[in-house]
Amino acid sequence: DADVTQTPRNRITKTGKRIMLECSQTKGHDRMYWYRQDPGLGLRLIYYSFDVKDINKGEISDGYSVSRQAQAKFSLSLESAIPNQTALYFCATSENSGRRTDTQYFGPGTRLTVL
Amino acid sequence: GDSVTQMEGPVTLSEEACLTINCTYTATGYPSLFWYVQYPGEGLQLLLKATKADDKGSNKGFEATYRKETTSFHLEKGSVQVSDSAVYFCALSPKTSYDKVIFGPGTSLSVIP
Repeated sequence: DADVTQTPRNRITKTGKRIMLECSQTKGHDRMYWYRQDPGLGLRLIYYSFDVKDINKGEISDGYSVSRQAQAKFSLSLESAIPNQTALYFCATSENSGRRTDTQYFGPGTRLTVL
Repeated sequence: GDSVTQMEGPVTLSEEACLTINCTYTATGYPSLFWYVQYPGEGLQLLLKATKADDKGSNKGFEATYRKETTSFHLEKGSVQVSDSAVYFCALSPKTSYDKVIFGPGTSLSVIP
């Protein structure tokens, strides 16, 4: 079974709709992240969380919100989706060891299309 | 600010050819450096990493050496296989921040038989 899972894997929605992307992990990691991937831009950090009570904005948090329901679950919401939020979204986890060399473990991604 | 620059793709090679994907970075001090690989339809996974100058990371026949003097971390492989077809991302973790990884734009590699 995959250590980091994301649901749904694909979603098509309309402008103005609210949508939630979910991420679950069985790795026991404290840190979780949401990224979006756009062609030619690499991955950009949306939000990250170091534990259930700690939520931080990344470089492109406008238009997004998150919820850390438990150590294992981290959800990303688009309150009112717009077409330029069409992208591939990744959830990732890492250990909370304080080391900069910690590996990030990625989910398989959610492809979101906003019409 | 901190950033990562990679050679633009796509790169197309024949099987058993040599591969070099260039990566240079801008950062304060000595960041940790990574290469991640994304196979079709999958998430990213760590390929190799290096934490200090002159360190060499290696995995699955791939290597990269942390070059402080040229602020580079080029990815190399002596003989590529069709199964190496993927997108490769260079990334850094800044010295000043324990909570962020900055990714390059990615380089797409296609290996043809």
